[in-house]
Amino acid sequence: EAGVAQSPRYKIIEKRQSVAFWCNPISGHATLYWYQQILGQGPKLLIQFQNNGVVDDSQLPKDRFSAERLKGVDSTLKIQPAKLEDSAVYLCASSTRTARSPLHFGNGTRLTVT
Amino acid sequence: DQQVKQNSPSLSVQEGRISILNCDYTNSMFDYFLWYKKYPAEGPTFLISISSIKDKNEDGRFTVFLNKSAKHLSLHIVPSQPGDSAVYFCAASAFPDKLIFGTGTRLQVFP
Repeated sequence: EAGVAQSPRYKIIEKRQSVAFWCNPISGHATLYWYQQILGQGPKLLIQFQNNGVVDDSQLPKDRFSAERLKGVDSTLKIQPAKLEDSAVYLCASSTRTARSPLHFGNGTRLTVT
Repeated sequence: DQQVKQNSPSLSVQEGRISILNCDYTNSMFDYFLWYKKYPAEGPTFLISISSIKDKNEDGRFTVFLNKSAKHLSLHIVPSQPGDSAVYFCAASAFPDKLIFGTGTRLQVFP
């Protein structure tokens, strides 16, 4: 089966600019996650979708981050405006169910904010 | 408050020997634990999991041990191979909540 697709792989922007990341999950996976992984730390959940509804966005900085999952398939994560501390790898993952199913991760987007 | 801790940032093991990666947690409500492996420039890939009703789960060269009283789990790789060199993350969840990841341990297996 095709894996989780993410684009772009790398992005460099200046602070206060905006950026968007795209994710296409594994076909048939109802649950989609966006994680932020800062260098030297483990992945931290930003938002979880079940189909096109939000299940958990408690750790999403909503003043600057937004995410949507149209038609319950592809998803986009946006940062506007970006801060230096947003420099991280943004990982998208999908699974067939919630926490009890292993997550399948994409290769991530490495964001550098200068 | 870091609920899942991997106190060893790195581990170096000779090929053919056993690798033991450790993970401690603080939340007694966690009942499901997983290990992920991550190569550079790739996303984490699922390795093995264990439910709190078990104390051991084995899959080929990989075995995970869970000690609930100590709130500790470990991943054993026997025998270690150069291709096992990667960063290993442990993760835990309390149903139906999100997975909480540790900070990772970088394993290097040398010939």
